[in-house]
Amino acid sequence: DVKVTQSSRYLVKRTGEKVFLECVQDMDHENMFWYRQDPGLGLRLIYFSYDVKMKEKGDIPEGYSVSREKKERFSLILESASTNQTSMYLCASSLGRKGTAASQYGYTFGSGTRLTVV
Amino acid sequence: RKEVEQDPGPFNVPEGATVAFNCTYSNSASQSFFWYRQDCRKEPKLLMSVYSSGNEDGRFTAQLNRASQYISLLIRDSKLSDSATYLCVVNMVTGNQFYFGTGTSLTVIP
Repeated sequence: DVKVTQSSRYLVKRTGEKVFLECVQDMDHENMFWYRQDPGLGLRLIYFSYDVKMKEKGDIPEGYSVSREKKERFSLILESASTNQTSMYLCASSLGRKGTAASQYGYTFGSGTRLTVV
Repeated sequence: RKEVEQDPGPFNVPEGATVAFNCTYSNSASQSFFWYRQDCRKEPKLLMSVYSSGNEDGRFTAQLNRASQYISLLIRDSKLSDSATYLCVVNMVTGNQFYFGTGTSLTVIP
């Protein structure tokens, strides 16, 4: 089974802090994604990556950055945490390369990080 | 307009009932379709892919209607353990990004 591991289940941070959320997958997937999930809004894509050192903005990238130095690891960075970034953060990975039909395999999600910014 | 739209529910049904959820998508070039299940405070997990010819997995049946741009999920003989939020997921033909509906909440009542 593919495993996607997120480093923390719960985090509490102060406004203005720099926050790192780590995600590691063990199945050599090319694609990795960061979402946030909020009640009534569903899952919203923050950033994604098709390859090492490659990143693309999703629908709500403001206030976030990402890093993918190794294929298996995709980090989400909150440069200066704010209270409106309190949310559930979900990392996902999938097999496939951009533009191919490999998307038929769907995503595998990590168990999520519930971040509270106070 | 949202890429994927679902009725949020909630659907409250008795055990043993049959329940159906629909989901519409906006891009006719969409290529892959899925239903995910999400339990409270857990991550979404793949329930089943949706194929053009329709597909069945035990009590669950998924169907795709490309002409009307919707997919459906039918659950027969509902169990208490089916209580969850069901997410409709669509993949566009370009790139590997998936678009999620906001989910339909199902509660199966004893």
